[in-house]
Amino acid sequence: QVRLQESGPGLVKPSETLSLTCTVSGVSISSSYWSWIRQPPGKGLEWIGYIYYSGSTDYNPSLKSRVTISADTSKNHFSLKLTSVTAADTAVYFCARRNDLFDYWGQGTLVTVSS
Amino acid sequence: DIQLTQSPSFLSASVGDRVTITCRASQGITSYLAWYQQKPGQAPKLLIYSASTLQSGVPSRFSGSGSGTEFTLTISSLQPEDFATYYCQQLNFYPLTFGGGTKVEIK
Repeated sequence: QVRLQESGPGLVKPSETLSLTCTVSGVSISSSYWSWIRQPPGKGLEWIGYIYYSGSTDYNPSLKSRVTISADTSKNHFSLKLTSVTAADTAVYFCARRNDLFDYWGQGTLVTVSS
Repeated sequence: DIQLTQSPSFLSASVGDRVTITCRASQGITSYLAWYQQKPGQAPKLLIYSASTLQSGVPSRFSGSGSGTEFTLTISSLQPEDFATYYCQQLNFYPLTFGGGTKVEIK
């Protein structure tokens, strides 16, 4: 059974860096691509980017200058860093499997940007 | 970026109704379209991919059709557990994009 679980701070101050980790169980992260997607409260879904275990990445151009996704095969997890956050980055952040369609998702974690 | 426009954005229906949701793409995406169902407080769930292929475990009352720029998701007989928000997503071009969602509520 493939399971994904997001973790990280639920509150980040403006201008600081949002950092989240997605821990994968039931399958090796070396077996697939892995993505981050976010959803502002009451709004739709936005793809942030993906990583392959080898380190290959692609990001949404709207966020590219601020996003880094990395992977740690020894811990079977991958991570998201988003710099210089503003209130507009307040959202539920989901991790998901694959880089085209998303067949397994984490439950999501709400990150609020506020001082 | 490919824009996906869903219609309607909201619909009210009764149990047993046939429901159709439309997703229009700003340019052709062949059949690279997926549909998701999202319930409050939950992650989206993949229902359909390649425009018309049912994901494993999804009830057969769900079906998808279309290609190019116009796609539909149909629920043949709405069940109580189907009241949710539905999103389309294109996977033909990066950045991947989603439609704005269609909320299906109980009449």
